[in-house]
Amino acid sequence: GQNIDQPTEMTATEGAIVQINCTYQTSGFNGLFWYQQHAGEAPTFLSYNVLDGLEEKGRFSSFLSRSKGYSYLLLKELQMKDSASYLCAVRDLLRSNDYKLSFGAGTTVTVRA
Amino acid sequence: NAGVTQTPKFQVLKTGQSMTLQCAQDMNHEYMSWYRQDPGMGLRLIHYSVGAGITDQGEVPNGYNVSRSTTEDFPLRLLSAAPSQTSVYFCASSVSGGYQETQYFGPGTRLLVL
Repeated sequence: GQNIDQPTEMTATEGAIVQINCTYQTSGFNGLFWYQQHAGEAPTFLSYNVLDGLEEKGRFSSFLSRSKGYSYLLLKELQMKDSASYLCAVRDLLRSNDYKLSFGAGTTVTVRA
Repeated sequence: NAGVTQTPKFQVLKTGQSMTLQCAQDMNHEYMSWYRQDPGMGLRLIHYSVGAGITDQGEVPNGYNVSRSTTEDFPLRLLSAAPSQTSVYFCASSVSGGYQETQYFGPGTRLLVL
């Protein structure tokens, strides 16, 4: 299995930037995902990294370093609606067309006015 | 497309009762999975399926059974409910294990076992 670690909670001010770190250990790395989950709702896909580097999508960016087993999600120009839990997930490829997605415990981000 | 649907949304069971959580998707996705989510523990994989007729165990399979007779449906069965199975259950699906593939989650089933 994987060990996936991310901070439990973070608080930031509206309009600011927050960086959520995720470290992982895995044997058959096949991609890292970030999901957003609002309270009482299902997770929704934010970003995907399989190669080293930065992927940017509007206000959200995600970075991956496979050699360090490290990723971060960067949220810019924070809005109140960004208050949510952010889940780091690592996919392991077991064999052809057979993979498992393992999740970290999630980071609860609270945006304050 | 309705996406991934789950029923029921809420359920209360007594210890020892059995029930089936339903999951269906209309996107012709091959890969389906069941997770449970508990406070402070994130999503944990219970069972998954890479296609009709094929299922496999995840991280926490004990106490749960699954079957995949069609591409669309992937029910999760609790044979004898226990208080430790109180949780929120999410079903998810994706096309396959291909590049940049993401899973789509259903709305969840909130289960309380007394």
